Amino acid sequence: AQSVSQHNHHVILSEAASLELGCNYSYGGTVNLFWYVQYPGQHLQLLLKYFSGDPLVKGIKGFEAEFIKSKFSFNLRKPSVQWSDTAEYFCAVNAWGANNLFFGTGTRLTVIP
Amino acid sequence: EAEVAQSPRYKITEKSQAVAFWCDPISGHATLYWYRQILGQGPELLVQFQDESVVDDSQLPKDRFSAERLKGVDSTLKIQPAELGDSAMYLCASSLGRESTGELFFGEGSRLTVL
Repeated sequence: AQSVSQHNHHVILSEAASLELGCNYSYGGTVNLFWYVQYPGQHLQLLLKYFSGDPLVKGIKGFEAEFIKSKFSFNLRKPSVQWSDTAEYFCAVNAWGANNLFFGTGTRLTVIP
Repeated sequence: EAEVAQSPRYKITEKSQAVAFWCDPISGHATLYWYRQILGQGPELLVQFQDESVVDDSQLPKDRFSAERLKGVDSTLKIQPAELGDSAMYLCASSLGRESTGELFFGEGSRLTVL
């Protein structure tokens, strides 16, 4: 069975600080990996995704994530956060060929102006 | 930009009552999902439809939950009777094709409070 772990439950940063949110998954086969973001009062939306190829993927709003297959990780990064990045971030995985997404428990990011 | 529509946004009910949620996916999306998100947790799949057929309902508590997508377009999720532990956000999502891209488009959700 697939599972996703996000070890940081709540991260508080000052504006301009660098961000890294951890995500580890467990699944033995080929996977697709995603980060979704939920801004306050809004719906979940896709931030970035990895299917294959370059393990460093870039998403919207300056976010990027690196897939490290040997570590079963897909950590999210941003060099300089803004107050508007305050949101909840969810890592998700699905097995190749399947439609369903398995989500982590989410990390709440608070950026202090 | 096309969106997934859900209603109601909020529902407060007493335990043992029946509740229903409606979802209209993005036009042309073949796959529709219902997820439940309990406060402090990530979304968990309840049921997945491909057109009008159920693909996965293994996590749906079938003694009290039911879901349908009769014409392969909009969908209804019902709970009867509601229990205190059903308090959660119910999210509907859709995806374009029958093959996996995993890219889901979510609605704003229906927040259920059971008293």
